[in-house]
Amino acid sequence: DAKTTQPPSMDCAEGRAANLPCNHSTISGNEYVYWYRQIHSQGPQYIIHGLKNNETNEMASLIITEDRKSSTLILPHATLRDTAVYYCIVRAGGNEKLTFGTGTRLTIIP
Amino acid sequence: DGGITQSPKYLFRKEGQNVTLSCEQNLNHDAMYWYRQDPGQGLRLIYYSQIVNDFQKGDIAEGYSVSREKKESFPLTVTSAQKNPTAFYLCASTQQGAGGPLHFGNGTRLTVT
Repeated sequence: DAKTTQPPSMDCAEGRAANLPCNHSTISGNEYVYWYRQIHSQGPQYIIHGLKNNETNEMASLIITEDRKSSTLILPHATLRDTAVYYCIVRAGGNEKLTFGTGTRLTIIP
Repeated sequence: DGGITQSPKYLFRKEGQNVTLSCEQNLNHDAMYWYRQDPGQGLRLIYYSQIVNDFQKGDIAEGYSVSREKKESFPLTVTSAQKNPTAFYLCASTQQGAGGPLHFGNGTRLTVT
């Protein structure tokens, strides 16, 4: 699997959009981009994933650049409950050694 | 509801003892994983299994062992050879090759004194 790079921490004001970047410059053509978040002492929670098109669900939007070398997770209206560590990973179905980086610690400020 | 169950949530052991952490899933997933997480750190892969009766070492397999005798179960044994066993252990599963998300359990916090 390709490796990902994320900033170690970010702050965002409550009610504003939180934009979390992820660099995956060595991504392969068949690898998906996945985002998870982890609230303290719980298992990571799946947020969203995509291959090359932008994706949106009830939790977030995922914007993937045209060259697929980076992506941005957008939480449109951040709340205090969005404070967590956010992980970006890449994965190809069938290549199942899945590794995580250290993620981005997002703090939502009241 | 389908999901992954890890038990127990908290586990205490004396140094030198082996301990087995349970992970069960009823999602009919082929692949299962064990990760270790230390305070303030990311997840590190210990072992993974893509099919029954087969498993592969992850990045930090030393001092750990696993078995995959049934599709729904992937127990992890922390042996006395693991030098720093105190950590938060997470189990996950996913459908093989489908490009779907990992599903995680809620973890077991192991403390060895």
